[in-house]
Amino acid sequence: DQQVKQNSPSLSVQEGRISILNCDYTNSMFDYFLWYKKYPAEGPTFLISISSIKDKNEDGRFTVFLNKSAKHLSLHIVPSQPGDSAVYFCAASARSNSGYALNFGKGTSLLVTP
Amino acid sequence: SAVISQKPSRDICQRGTSLTIQCQVDSQVTMMFWYRQQPGQSLTLIATANQGSEATYESGFVIDKFPISRPNLTFSTLTVSNMSPEDSSIYLCSAARGTSGYEQYFGPGTRLTVT
Repeated sequence: DQQVKQNSPSLSVQEGRISILNCDYTNSMFDYFLWYKKYPAEGPTFLISISSIKDKNEDGRFTVFLNKSAKHLSLHIVPSQPGDSAVYFCAASARSNSGYALNFGKGTSLLVTP
Repeated sequence: SAVISQKPSRDICQRGTSLTIQCQVDSQVTMMFWYRQQPGQSLTLIATANQGSEATYESGFVIDKFPISRPNLTFSTLTVSNMSPEDSSIYLCSAARGTSGYEQYFGPGTRLTVT
């Protein structure tokens, strides 16, 4: 049962414009949300996170928004650069028997074109 | 952050054999985890590697199939036992500082193909 969903498998954006990647979740126990970026043949790299007590977190060109009532979060990249082209994974965390397991979405492949 | 390396980076194995994947972190970490990413799927947590005690497995994963060791705070191994083609995946190790495990840092992964 997929508890974290990224419904857009791919997204293409022009350089300089805004990229918006979306993520939905079903488990109301999730209390921490993260975005990871992954290049081919590399492991995921932590990008930005947000606690469930906040609705926005910003780090440079990256901003994550959380709408708890809608169980929805989004990652905004402004301005988008060709080096941002990668697969972006949304992840959510809630305490499990094993500690803080990360539940991942299937990823959205972002292509930023010059 | 933490720098994580995995060996091997990829392997092709025959059905029925076993493969042990090593994960090395460049500094001591509190928590280490093993994930699997099957083709076209998201990352799925296999287990939490506990230092000095048995790993804690997620639902659907068992110790006989995926034995895990963690002898110290910087090293862990995952063995994929009695492999079948369905075990063909990327296996990733991750680590987290502190006890929350929220922000995990990943190794480059091991691409396993079982023929």
